[in-house]
Amino acid sequence: AQTVTQSQPEMSVQEAETVTLSCTYDTSESNYYLFWYKQPPSRQMILVIRQEAYKQQNATENRFSVNFQKAAKSFSLKISDSQLGDTAMYFCAFMKAVRDNTDKLIFGTGTRLQVFP
Amino acid sequence: GAVVSQHPSWVICKSGTSVKIECRSLDFQATTMFWYRQFPKQSLMLMATSNEGSKATYEQGVEKDKFLINHASLTLSTLTVTSAHPEDSSFYICSVRRLAGVETQYFGPGTRLLVL
Repeated sequence: AQTVTQSQPEMSVQEAETVTLSCTYDTSESNYYLFWYKQPPSRQMILVIRQEAYKQQNATENRFSVNFQKAAKSFSLKISDSQLGDTAMYFCAFMKAVRDNTDKLIFGTGTRLQVFP
Repeated sequence: GAVVSQHPSWVICKSGTSVKIECRSLDFQATTMFWYRQFPKQSLMLMATSNEGSKATYEQGVEKDKFLINHASLTLSTLTVTSAHPEDSSFYICSVRRLAGVETQYFGPGTRLLVL
């Protein structure tokens, strides 16, 4: 069974600074997807960034980038130039690429990020 | 713009009544939708996978007679909480799986249910 671990329950960062959120996972699958979702106080889940395991290049989306280390099963999220609007709960998630009845999102426990002015 | 809508966003009901929550895929047809439950300050807990034209697949420990799921069309799935009790009060979120192009799940805005 796949598991996702987020070891940082809470993080804080000053506005305009950079912060890195950690995520590790465990799987025996060779092909899969990894995601970071953001859940602000409104509780709407928002996709931040995704990574396909077969791609070696780290995904980037504007101020958000990942450090994907497949051998180490690590998938950290770096937020550059942090903004107050980045304050949210961040969830790391895993999904098998094989389409069967087990290809569902497996979530970590989340990291609460607070951005201070 | 929004990819997935949920209705209602807020519902308060009396104990013993049933509540129906709708999840609509706005941008694409979805053969698979998912229903989650989230308690305060916790992660999402998958309740069931909703498949268009067939019975939903429930996760272990989720009562299928309590949480009825109907995926009647490629853009609509409904979750009905039957004979609701205060312990069913929670935040319910649906997601839609997009298979075409980049495979991703998009989430609805959620429904807050309070059972009195």
